Amino acid sequence: EPEVTQTPSHQVTQMGQEVILRCVPISNHLYFYWYRQILGQKVEFLVSFYNNEISEKSEIFDDQFSVERPDGSNFTLKIRSTKLEDSAMYFCASSSLGKTYNEQFFGPGTRLTVL
Amino acid sequence: AQTVTQSQPEMSVQEAETVTLSCTYDTSESDYYLFWYKQPPSRQMILVIRQEAYKQQNATENRFSVNFQKAAKSFSLKISDSQLGDAAMYFCAYRSASGGNQFYFGTGTSLTVIP
Repeated sequence: EPEVTQTPSHQVTQMGQEVILRCVPISNHLYFYWYRQILGQKVEFLVSFYNNEISEKSEIFDDQFSVERPDGSNFTLKIRSTKLEDSAMYFCASSSLGKTYNEQFFGPGTRLTVL
Repeated sequence: AQTVTQSQPEMSVQEAETVTLSCTYDTSESDYYLFWYKQPPSRQMILVIRQEAYKQQNATENRFSVNFQKAAKSFSLKISDSQLGDAAMYFCAYRSASGGNQFYFGTGTSLTVIP
């Protein structure tokens, strides 16, 4: 069964450094998402992406964040200058249709630790 | 904004017994979708069951069923004949039918199955 994959599984970085988190969505899906979960808190929506542009974003998704689908298979989340509070589990998801209740398929997550 | 609350951070159940996980939500919308996702340790979230708000009948998937009380804004998950493989973090999620595609998650309930 197709799955969303994410790399790396764990990323450790120094505060102020740039990180890129990578995701490979399910191949025939059209909508892509990033969520994050700070330890002990809720899974929070960051951004959704469709047709090569951002379709929605939350207040968390500020100018330090960007997303890209560079090659038609990968979907990346970049954090330009990481802060301590960016430490979290980051989940990528994809879905085949946006405006229905269709399931979002989630990846296993990347644990980002900012030191 | 919609909020989802899971008031049980941890639950345990004896193998073969039944357990109910609680979820409440707050919304002013009349049409929406509700989901339960399961996340085994170090694995991705997978969909367990979903419910459309306009349907009065409670959704059922094999040993998993929900008790959807729309007026009370309650959406509990019942797991019957619990198995060791049911041990996981369970997340309740909400998605608007008319708004954006983002999911709103609760903080999760960690379920332990005791042999």
